[in-house]
Amino acid sequence: DGGITQSPKYLFRKEGQNVTLSCEQNLNHDAMYWYRQDPGQGLRLIYYSQIVNDFQKGDIAEGYSVSREKKESFPLTVTSAQKNPTAFYLCASSPRNGPSQYSPLHFGNGTRLTVT
Amino acid sequence: QKEVEQNSGPLSVPEGAIASLNCTYSDRGSQSFFWYRQYSGKSPELIMFIYSNGDKEDGRFTAQLNKASQYVSLLIRDSQPSDSATYLCASQGGYSTLTFGKGTMLLVSP
Repeated sequence: DGGITQSPKYLFRKEGQNVTLSCEQNLNHDAMYWYRQDPGQGLRLIYYSQIVNDFQKGDIAEGYSVSREKKESFPLTVTSAQKNPTAFYLCASSPRNGPSQYSPLHFGNGTRLTVT
Repeated sequence: QKEVEQNSGPLSVPEGAIASLNCTYSDRGSQSFFWYRQYSGKSPELIMFIYSNGDKEDGRFTAQLNKASQYVSLLIRDSQPSDSATYLCASQGGYSTLTFGKGTMLLVSP
């Protein structure tokens, strides 16, 4: 079955450490996205990529970095520069032209990151 | 800056009633609108999409769009306890990314 795999489901890190969240999709989608969700908040866009080797900053990119070396993979690194990294992180994908009624955003199951 | 506003709730309705969820958006260039349902600790799932003014019905769900008033709503008829979740409204301009609201928590009591 096609889908998006995020791993791990729960991640714990000490403050000051960089951490990389994995996102893999087998939907053959060109576009991939990273969102952050805090309690009682909606989804805020961190980074997105519409094609391999290219990506754009979203609304809250500071303290994060990404790479897109393969179509299937879009890992997110939370750096020590991110002031409040504890959150629920969601990876999503869509066809290159963006989400539509015929192909909405497909979400992974998320990674809950806790930094202490 | 594009903004999507939703009342955070919770909106409490008894089982069998109609739940009405509302959303306003700031970007007049927004063309399409999505309603996602998110259960606690889970990822969002799409339940409705609308891009034309008026109503769109799908089962117990009806989405309503008024572009002149920059207003989108979701009606859930015959609400069930299993409908208890957070409902996220999102707008999209052309083929761009989605802008999400903060979501409205719906509680349906038996």
